[in-house]
Amino acid sequence: DAKTTQPNSMESNEEEPVHLPCNHSTISGTDYIHWYRQLPSQGPEYVIHGLTSNVNNRMASLAIAEDRKSSTLILHRATLRDAAVYYCTPSGNTPLVFGKGTRLSVIA
Amino acid sequence: DAGVIQSPRHEVTEMGQEVTLRCKPISGHDYLFWYRQTMMRGLELLIYFNNNVPIDDSGMPEDRFSAKMPNASFSTLKIQPSEPRDSAVYFCASSLKGGGPSTDTQYFGPGTRLTVL
Repeated sequence: DAKTTQPNSMESNEEEPVHLPCNHSTISGTDYIHWYRQLPSQGPEYVIHGLTSNVNNRMASLAIAEDRKSSTLILHRATLRDAAVYYCTPSGNTPLVFGKGTRLSVIA
Repeated sequence: DAGVIQSPRHEVTEMGQEVTLRCKPISGHDYLFWYRQTMMRGLELLIYFNNNVPIDDSGMPEDRFSAKMPNASFSTLKIQPSEPRDSAVYFCASSLKGGGPSTDTQYFGPGTRLTVL
């Protein structure tokens, strides 16, 4: 499994963009990069995934480096409801493996 | 669909007692996963099933832990005997394909918070 490195915590002001980084330097060529988040007292939930190209959905955008060794989850306007732990997890032929993630705090 | 259903939501038991956690996956999903989450170790995969068959149980911590999936709509995780260090939140998740070079989104249940006194 690819090893990931994420900052332990980040802080953002409400209504501002947030860029959550992830390093996955040992990712294999066929691994997709998945992002999940875990709201307080809930199970993790899917946010977005991608392979090589940048991806957008209603929740977030995913920017993937050209060499695929890193990616950035972008929340365009953070809200208080986005306060959660965000996990980056490359996934190939094995189930998702979750690291410690980044705890995002959003300040009103 | 109601999503992944887990029961009970909270369980408090005494050391040495048997504990059974239950999970109903999303209908039509082929894969079922059991995870354990603690502050110290984060979210750990314990075991996963494909079409009711256990595929990888290398994450099961000890022989005290066992998991079964008698049919496509039900799975149990049993701890016997339970110990205080088993206190954690246990999550069940299901997915259509369960890992692979495509988009196998996992859907998690709300978890069971287990406290062993």
